[in-house]
Amino acid sequence: NAGVTQTPKFQVLKTGQSMTLQCAQDMNHEYMSWYRQDPGMGLRLIHYSVGAGITDQGEVPNGYNVSRSTTEDFPLRLLSAAPSQTSVYFCASSYRGDSPLHFGNGTRLTVT
Amino acid sequence: QQPVQSPQAVILREGEDAVINCSSSKALYSVHWYRQKHGEAPVFLMILLKGGEQKGHDKISASFNEKKQQSSLYLTASQLSYSGTYFCGTPSQAGTALIFGKGTTLSVSS
Repeated sequence: NAGVTQTPKFQVLKTGQSMTLQCAQDMNHEYMSWYRQDPGMGLRLIHYSVGAGITDQGEVPNGYNVSRSTTEDFPLRLLSAAPSQTSVYFCASSYRGDSPLHFGNGTRLTVT
Repeated sequence: QQPVQSPQAVILREGEDAVINCSSSKALYSVHWYRQKHGEAPVFLMILLKGGEQKGHDKISASFNEKKQQSSLYLTASQLSYSGTYFCGTPSQAGTALIFGKGTTLSVSS
C-alpha cells in the first residue's frame, strides 16, 4: 500500500502564480484534510472533506480552494500565490473524523 | 479552537523522564498524540478517549482528564529516538477534523 501520496515534494512559485498540490490515498478513507506547517505555529487546518463531493473550511482557508470528486483524491489549489503561503503542506486521511490520521510526506512550497 | 501545549520545548539526557501537557478550553471527548521527526511527516502515537484508560506505546503513555479538559503525555526513561516534536490534536467542533496544538519539541542527548 502506498498510503497517502503527495506531489510535488518541492515547488517554487512566483507571487501571483497558481498551482495545484496533489494528494491521493489508496486506503478508501472517507475523511481527508490539508494542513500547513510553519515554524512555531504547529499544524493548521486549511480545508477538509468528509467524503466525495463534501468539503469544508478549516482554520486558515483563505487563498486556497479544494474539491473532492473521488474518494481517492483531494487536491489543494492556490489561486494566486503569495509569499505568506510559503510553508510545508501536509495532506492526511482517516477512516473517520476521530480515527488516526495518516499523513503524506509533505510538499515544501516557496513563494518568491 | 487550538489546544494549548506546554512546555514549548524540553531538553533531556537519555534515561530522564518528561511530561507534555495539552489543554483545551472546550469539552473534549478524545485527544490524539503524534510525533514528528525533523524533515518527516507526523506519525500517530495514540488516541485517548473519554472514559478510557491510560494508554501506552513502548515507554510512552498518556492520560486524559475530561473534567479538566486536558491530556498529558509521559515519556519514561527517554531514548535518543524520542527526539522530535510532539503534537496533540483535538476534534473540531463538528468532530470531522483534527485541530492541533503548536507542538512541544523534545531533544534527547546522550
